[in-house]
Amino acid sequence: GAGVSQSPSNKVTEKGKDVELRCDPISGHTALYWYRQSLGQGLEFLIYFQGNSAPDKSGLPSDRFSAERTGGSVSTLTIQRTQQEDSAVYLCASSSHQRGRETQYFGPGTRLLVL
Amino acid sequence: SQQGEEDPQALSIQEGENATMNCSYKTSINNLQWYRQNSGRGLVHLILIRSNEREKHSGRLRVTLDTSKKSSSLLITASRAADTASYFCATAPRGSGNTGKLIFGQGTTLQVKP
Repeated sequence: GAGVSQSPSNKVTEKGKDVELRCDPISGHTALYWYRQSLGQGLEFLIYFQGNSAPDKSGLPSDRFSAERTGGSVSTLTIQRTQQEDSAVYLCASSSHQRGRETQYFGPGTRLLVL
Repeated sequence: SQQGEEDPQALSIQEGENATMNCSYKTSINNLQWYRQNSGRGLVHLILIRSNEREKHSGRLRVTLDTSKKSSSLLITASRAADTASYFCATAPRGSGNTGKLIFGQGTTLQVKP
């Protein structure tokens, strides 16, 4: 079946502009995660959605970052007034979040470059 | 903040040799997972080991977990050039409000020379 997809693959923007990154999770997966990976680093958790529960936003680095998940499926990560330190690969993952099925399936990521 | 620390940061071996990577973490966990990443893009899940398990095998992969030392190791036997990638350990922290989010280590870059 189709995996997690993300768009765009690459995004170049100017400092101060807003950007939107999209994630389409695997159909039927109720849990969706956003992570950020800076060059040569591990992944940094940003935000988590599970069904209709309130999202876990504990990883968002500033109030310039926000995310939505519409209809329990597609998610959009928005970064307002981008800064150069926002440059990174943004990875989305989904899982069924059931015991025995905790594996997170990752999308290919969006590489963001802020000039 | 990152929970895991991986060691070594980089490893270079000849094809056919075994590769061992280690991961240490700080808090109690529900499970620990290993992922592989090629070319700095999407991650692929390799194996999951639960906190009540000590060892797990999957093909050429062997994972151990020592919760008393808060550490894990990943062994790749009979390595192949195609195993060249970055390997990350990720922990699912235990505790109230745990959402299943993963805390990743910094990764080990493995190069397997043909």
